[in-house]
Amino acid sequence: EAGVVQSPRYKIIEKKQPVAFWCNPISGHNTLYWYLQNLGQGPELLIRYENEEAVDDSQLPKDRFSAERLKGVDSTLKIQPAELGDSAVYLCASSIQGGEQFFGPGTRLTVL
Amino acid sequence: AQTVTQSQPEMSVQEAETVTLSCTYDTSENNYYLFWYKQPPSRQMILVIRQEAYKQQNATENRFSVNFQKAAKSFSLKISDSQLGDTAMYFCAFMKPPNFGNEKLTFGTGTRLTIIP
Repeated sequence: EAGVVQSPRYKIIEKKQPVAFWCNPISGHNTLYWYLQNLGQGPELLIRYENEEAVDDSQLPKDRFSAERLKGVDSTLKIQPAELGDSAVYLCASSIQGGEQFFGPGTRLTVL
Repeated sequence: AQTVTQSQPEMSVQEAETVTLSCTYDTSENNYYLFWYKQPPSRQMILVIRQEAYKQQNATENRFSVNFQKAAKSFSLKISDSQLGDTAMYFCAFMKPPNFGNEKLTFGTGTRLTIIP
C-alpha cells in the first residue's frame, strides 16, 4: 500500500514569491492534516480536513496561507507571498477518522 | 491547552544498550492518548508506540516500551537492545480522544538519539 505522497521534496524560492505544496493521502483516508515543522521543533498543526471540509484551520495564517482539498482526496497548501520566516518543513498526514496518523516525507522550504 | 515537554535535547548510547527518553505533559483532561514518534533523517514521522490514558498497563512494541505515570504526567520511552537504525529524532505527542475537532497531535521539541557502533 502506498504511503502519503508529497511533492516537491525540496523547494527554494526568493521572498515575496508564491509557493505551493501538494499532498496525496493514503487511499481511503478521509482525514488530512498539514503540519508545520520549524527547525529543532516538533510539528504544529496548520489545518485539518475531514473529506473536503476544513474543520480546524485556527492555526493557519490566513493572510498569506491558503489550502484546499478538492474532491476530498489530494490537497494543496499555498503561501503567497512567502517570507523568510516561512522556511521550514511542511508535513502532510492522513488518517481514517480517529485512527493513526500516517505522515508523508515532507517538503523542505527555503526562502531566500 | 496541552503542553508536552522533552527535557533531553540530545542523547547517545552504545549499540545494544538500553536508553530511556523522558517526556512530561500538562493537561486537564482525564482521557487522552500519548505517542512516541520517530523521525529519521528522511523526515518521515513513524509511529513507534501508543498509550491510552485509561489503560493502566504500559504499552510495549518489541524492543520499545513505555513507563506511563498518569498522576505524575510522565511518559518515558525505553529502547532495549538499541540498534544503529534507532538513530533518529524522537518526539513525544499528546492527543485528546478522537472526537470531532480533537484530532490534533501536540508534539514536544524532540530528543535527538544517536546510537554509537
